[in-house]
Amino acid sequence: GNSVTQMEGPVTLSEEAFLTINCTYTATGYPSLFWYVQYPGEGLQLLLKATKADDKGSNKGFEATYRKETTSFHLEKGSVQVSDSAVYFCALSISRGNTGKLIFGQGTTLQVKP
Amino acid sequence: GAGVSQSPRYKVAKRGQDVALRCDPISGHVSLFWYQQALGQGPEFLTYFQNEAQLDKSGLPSDRFFAERPEGSVSTLKIQRTQQEDSAVYLCASSLTGQGRQFFGPGTRLTVL
Repeated sequence: GNSVTQMEGPVTLSEEAFLTINCTYTATGYPSLFWYVQYPGEGLQLLLKATKADDKGSNKGFEATYRKETTSFHLEKGSVQVSDSAVYFCALSISRGNTGKLIFGQGTTLQVKP
Repeated sequence: GAGVSQSPRYKVAKRGQDVALRCDPISGHVSLFWYQQALGQGPEFLTYFQNEAQLDKSGLPSDRFFAERPEGSVSTLKIQRTQQEDSAVYLCASSLTGQGRQFFGPGTRLTVL
C-alpha cells in the first residue's frame, strides 16, 4: 500500500538553526510528493512539491528533493525563524489513474525559540 | 469568497446524534475532497467528488458516514449516530482538477460526548 512516515516531534530549535525533517514513503505507481504546513490557528497550506525523481521543490527558504533511490523527501531550511513554528506534514499523491487524494504522514511539530 | 469555507467551525454532539458538516469550495473548482484528522495525526482521506459525482468513497470508515454534492458545488458530510471515535477535525479541500493543487478549508472540529 501507499504510506508516508515522518520523524516524530516535537522538534525544538533555536532561531537561525538548520532544520531537517525526515520523510520516507512507500508507493505503487508514480507519486508526487508534497510538504504541507499548518500554522497555529490556520488551515493546511501547501509549502512545496515535487512531481518526479530528482526534482527539488522550494519555497520560503525551505527545500526538499525527491529521492527515488532512498524513497525520501526530507524537508530542510538553512536558518529557521520563530515564525516557522508550525506543524509540517509530508504527503504523497499517486498521479496516474487516481483521484489525486493525498496520503499524509503523522505530522512533525516544529518549535523555534528566539 | 477567496478560499474554502467550512461550517460550523466547532460542533459538539452527544453520542447517537446525527451531524451535518458543510463545505463551500472555491468557485469553479471541479474536485472536492473530505479528510478526517484525529488529534495528533495527519489527515486521512474520506471521499472525493468530481462535480456532483462521488468517484471515490473508499475512506469512509462506516456506513454511518455519508457525503453528497448534489449541484457540484457545496458539499455536506453527514455522520449518523455519532460515536466518540468520530471526534476529529474534518477537513474539506477543493482543486481545479483532480490532480491539481488542493486548497484546504479551516476544518470543523467535531467533539462527541
